[in-house]
Amino acid sequence: EPEVTQTPSHQVTQMGQEVILRCVPISNHLYFYWYRQILGQKVEFLVSFYNNEISEKSEIFDDQFSVERPDGSNFTLKIRSTKLEDSAMYFCASSRGQVNTEAFFGQGTRLTVV
Amino acid sequence: AQTVTQSQPEMSVQEAETVTLSCTYDTSENNYYLFWYKQPPSRQMILVIRQEAYKQQNATENRFSVNFQKAAKSFSLKISDSQLGDTAMYFCAFMGAWGAQKLVFGQGTRLTINP
Repeated sequence: EPEVTQTPSHQVTQMGQEVILRCVPISNHLYFYWYRQILGQKVEFLVSFYNNEISEKSEIFDDQFSVERPDGSNFTLKIRSTKLEDSAMYFCASSRGQVNTEAFFGQGTRLTVV
Repeated sequence: AQTVTQSQPEMSVQEAETVTLSCTYDTSENNYYLFWYKQPPSRQMILVIRQEAYKQQNATENRFSVNFQKAAKSFSLKISDSQLGDTAMYFCAFMGAWGAQKLVFGQGTRLTINP
């Protein structure tokens, strides 16, 4: 069964460093998303991506964040200069269509900023 | 902006019992979608059940069913004949039918099924 895969499963980085979280969406999906979940809190939407551009982003997704689909299969989230409060689980998701289609989630990357 | 509220942080029942998880939401939209996602210890978010707001009939998937009350903006999940594998975090989520196709999640309910 096709699935969304995320690497690494856990990343530890020093404050101020850049990190890139990687995701391989399901191959025939066209819509891609990043969500994050700070420990003990709700899952929050960060950004959606379609046709090689951002279709929507939340206020959390500031200039420190960027997304890219560099090679037609990977979908990356870059945090340019990490802060302690960026520590969270980051989930990638993809869907075939825009409405009334299931979003499939990856297993998440736990980012710890020290 | 839409909000989703799950008022039960934790619940615990015995295996084979029926359990109901509650969820309320707030929106000014008339058409939208509601979801229940399960997050087991493996951390992956798995879709359990989905309801379209324009459908009056409550969705059912095997042991999982919902009680969708549109006027009350309530969307509860009922798990019948609960199994040990149902132990997980359960998230209620909302998605509007127009514009941004993003999920708005509740805080989650940690459900434990005891043997």
